[in-house]
Amino acid sequence: DGGITQSPKYLFRKEGQNVTLSCEQNLNHDAMYWYRQDPGQGLRLIYYSQIVNDFQKGDIAEGYSVSREKKESFPLTVTSAQKNPTAFYLCASRLVGEGRPYNEQFFGPGTRLTVL
Amino acid sequence: AQKVTQAQTEISVVEKEDVTLDCVYETRDTTYYLFWYKQPPSGELVFLIRRNSFDEQNEISGRYSWNFQKSTSSFNFTITASQVVDSAVYFCALRSSNTGKLIFGQGTTLQVKP
Repeated sequence: DGGITQSPKYLFRKEGQNVTLSCEQNLNHDAMYWYRQDPGQGLRLIYYSQIVNDFQKGDIAEGYSVSREKKESFPLTVTSAQKNPTAFYLCASRLVGEGRPYNEQFFGPGTRLTVL
Repeated sequence: AQKVTQAQTEISVVEKEDVTLDCVYETRDTTYYLFWYKQPPSGELVFLIRRNSFDEQNEISGRYSWNFQKSTSSFNFTITASQVVDSAVYFCALRSSNTGKLIFGQGTTLQVKP
């Protein structure tokens, strides 16, 4: 089945440790996105990538890093520099191009990160 | 600046009631796209609808309907005869014309009681 996979669903880490969240898609989508969601809030964009080997900072990129070495993969690393890393992280992808049905972002199931 | 406002933080209704979720947006783009997503307790965002800025036709899909009015910069979502399974957080979002970046509202938590 086509879709977006995020693993693991729940992740626990000690303060000061870097952690990498996985996002894989087999939809052949060009663009991929990482969002952070805090309780009672909307989604905020961390990083996005529209093509392989290229990515841009979103609104809250500090303390995060990404790579896009393959079209289907867009891992997010939460570094020790991120002051409040505990949150729900959502990955999304989109087929680039104007006109239906290419504009929707499709989301993965999310990873809930808790830093102890 | 682009912004999406969902003024209703939480709504609680009894099953079979109709409910409208409000969404107001701000953008200077002449071409833009508006979306509604549903986030059930499992956490995954489910796409519901997209609307182009040049298409003001209202749309109905089963019990769901959407009212897009450019004059008031609003894109409201109505659920008719609500059901318990409609309980979720609903997000309205605006897409930047170039990057595909979505600007989300704060979300409206809908609780449908039996």
